[in-house]
Amino acid sequence: DAGVIQSPRHEVTEMGQEVTLRCKPISGHNSLFWYRQTMMRGLELLIYFNNNVPIDDSGMPEDRFSAKMPNASFSTLKIQPSEPRDSAVYFCASALTGNTIYFGEGSWLTVV
Amino acid sequence: AQRVTQPEKLLSVFKGAPVELKCNYSYSGSPELFWYVQYSRQRLQLLLRHISRESIKGFTADLNKGETSFHLKKPFAQEEDSAMYYCALLRSQGNLIFGKGTKLSVKP
Repeated sequence: DAGVIQSPRHEVTEMGQEVTLRCKPISGHNSLFWYRQTMMRGLELLIYFNNNVPIDDSGMPEDRFSAKMPNASFSTLKIQPSEPRDSAVYFCASALTGNTIYFGEGSWLTVV
Repeated sequence: AQRVTQPEKLLSVFKGAPVELKCNYSYSGSPELFWYVQYSRQRLQLLLRHISRESIKGFTADLNKGETSFHLKKPFAQEEDSAMYYCALLRSQGNLIFGKGTKLSVKP
């Protein structure tokens, strides 16, 4: 398996623009996570899906952030409008519920 | 409250020296703990899972329920061990909560 696949790997965008990050989990995994990593706050869980249903979105910073999982093999994290403070590495991860969680390579977002 | 604490932001040792990366947790149930490693600008990779009791790349970690700790140890550090190390706790809901991480720097 190719592992968790994220795109884009790097994105630089201007403040106010919409950003869409994409994730393909490992085939057969039924849990999907979006984490954000910053120097100040470390790794924070943004949202967690189980069987395509959002279970915990308490980590989503505000209404500018939204996440969807239309099917078992695809998820998106959208920021609209983006702000400089959203600059971070966004990791997608997947697991078979209760088992080891595997991470993607991350999407490095810079908002200028 | 469920919490993972890594008290050291940075740990610097010389090659060949022993390493101990500290992790303490707060969890009301039976904890399931992990160590993840992140090499420069790469993905987080699972290093250890406490239930497997494995030794990976010479690292070991023992769960001490009395002290609520899961410290990561290696008797002889290598330069290639330089990385960020994250201790993580699996919540009953199925997601991981992470400590802030410790940056290990192994000097030649």
